[in-house]
Amino acid sequence: NAGVMQNPRHLVRRRGQEARLRCSPMKGHSHVYWYRQLPEEGLKFMVYLQKENIIDESGMPKERFSAEFPKEGPSILRIQQVVRGDSAAYFCASSPAQMSGNTIYFGEGSWLTVV
Amino acid sequence: KQEVTQIPAALSVPEGENLVLNCSFTDSAIYNLQWFRQDPGKGLTSLLLIQSSQREQTSGRLNASLDKSSGRSTLYIAASQPGDSATYLCAVRDRGSTLGRLYFGRGTQLTVWP
Repeated sequence: NAGVMQNPRHLVRRRGQEARLRCSPMKGHSHVYWYRQLPEEGLKFMVYLQKENIIDESGMPKERFSAEFPKEGPSILRIQQVVRGDSAAYFCASSPAQMSGNTIYFGEGSWLTVV
Repeated sequence: KQEVTQIPAALSVPEGENLVLNCSFTDSAIYNLQWFRQDPGKGLTSLLLIQSSQREQTSGRLNASLDKSSGRSTLYIAASQPGDSATYLCAVRDRGSTLGRLYFGRGTQLTVWP
């Protein structure tokens, strides 16, 4: 049973370009979460999605960032017109359901560098 | 708003020592607290999860305690080994928040040298 798969693992973008990060949850998991880890900071929640629904996007920056989790295929975190401050590690996590006591399972992250 | 603080930020010890890592949180109305391990360039691995009704959890050489009323948790590592070198993260889930919405501390970077 493969874990949470993220790609690309490393991505370099020039300022103004778009970055697309993909996340395939663990098999049987229908809930996906995105977190961002800025240099020297802790992980910060960004967004929580279920298939075709955004459940909680209260941690998403108001502009340039969007996320989706279509009926088929991976979840995608999209950053438009990237700036140097977007350089960070972006982690995806998944869970099977909103059950008490469950942990969530993290992928190995996508490291975005904006030059 | 929940804030999680971890002390110390970094720790370097010789192999064999018993260690205590500290975590504090500002809002005691939590659902659970979790300790993770993060290796450089890698994702997070869950070590221990303590429900709000529990006082501690143990797994092998690891023991985590929770004092919800005082907003504190400790992770105790017995007989440390070089393979324990990693960053240890504490995360809380607030009551009423969704399963995956966790508040993380900045971590304690642990180095165990032989």
